[in-house]
Amino acid sequence: GENVEQHPSTLSVQEGDSAVIKCTYSDSASNYFPWYKQELGKRPQLIIDIRSNVGEKKDQRIAVTLNKTAKHFSLHITETQPEDSAVYFCAANGNDYKLSFGAGTTVTVRA
Amino acid sequence: DSGVTQTPKHLITATGQRVTLRCSPRSGDLSVYWYQQSLDQGLQFLIQYYNGEERAKGNILERFSAQQFPDLHSELNLSSLELGDSALYFCASSVEQENTEAFFGQGTRLTVV
Repeated sequence: GENVEQHPSTLSVQEGDSAVIKCTYSDSASNYFPWYKQELGKRPQLIIDIRSNVGEKKDQRIAVTLNKTAKHFSLHITETQPEDSAVYFCAANGNDYKLSFGAGTTVTVRA
Repeated sequence: DSGVTQTPKHLITATGQRVTLRCSPRSGDLSVYWYQQSLDQGLQFLIQYYNGEERAKGNILERFSAQQFPDLHSELNLSSLELGDSALYFCASSVEQENTEAFFGQGTRLTVV
């Protein structure tokens, strides 16, 4: 099955700076890579996703890049704001239907 | 609101007991996933159903079982509960069985005492 590793586990950034979270996956058949944001006490919510037929996708201050050869993908948050503080999870779908998640990155944006 | 409904929101029970968690997926979604999130932990995949059939299984204990009914709602049964089973259990649903966004419910917080 798919194995997703995520780094770093915690990330503290100054407001206005950028944050980068990296994930690697094991199953070369994976073709869908979503990113979820989980605020304290709430459910995970999709913030952006990318499919294997593209290398980069942007949505305002959020971007995701995918390198299928190296089997890694990254989330980039620019101009961070206090409301970006949360736990972020990457995921990959594998070839066995299940969506496997990374362990999560706790992002803290310092005012 | 994601459209995924989980009941109950909170559950406190004693060790050795059995509980059932319920999930109603978004209207039109055929796929249901169950995840376990222990304190300060990531999302651990338990099991997935698609249109009533089991499609994928994760590290689900033998004491746990699940099913998806003809009306597409799903139940997760946890038996012989142990203290370590205390966690937040999320259900998620999606339209297709892969390659599409999964919408999460609010979760059921299970506390075993």
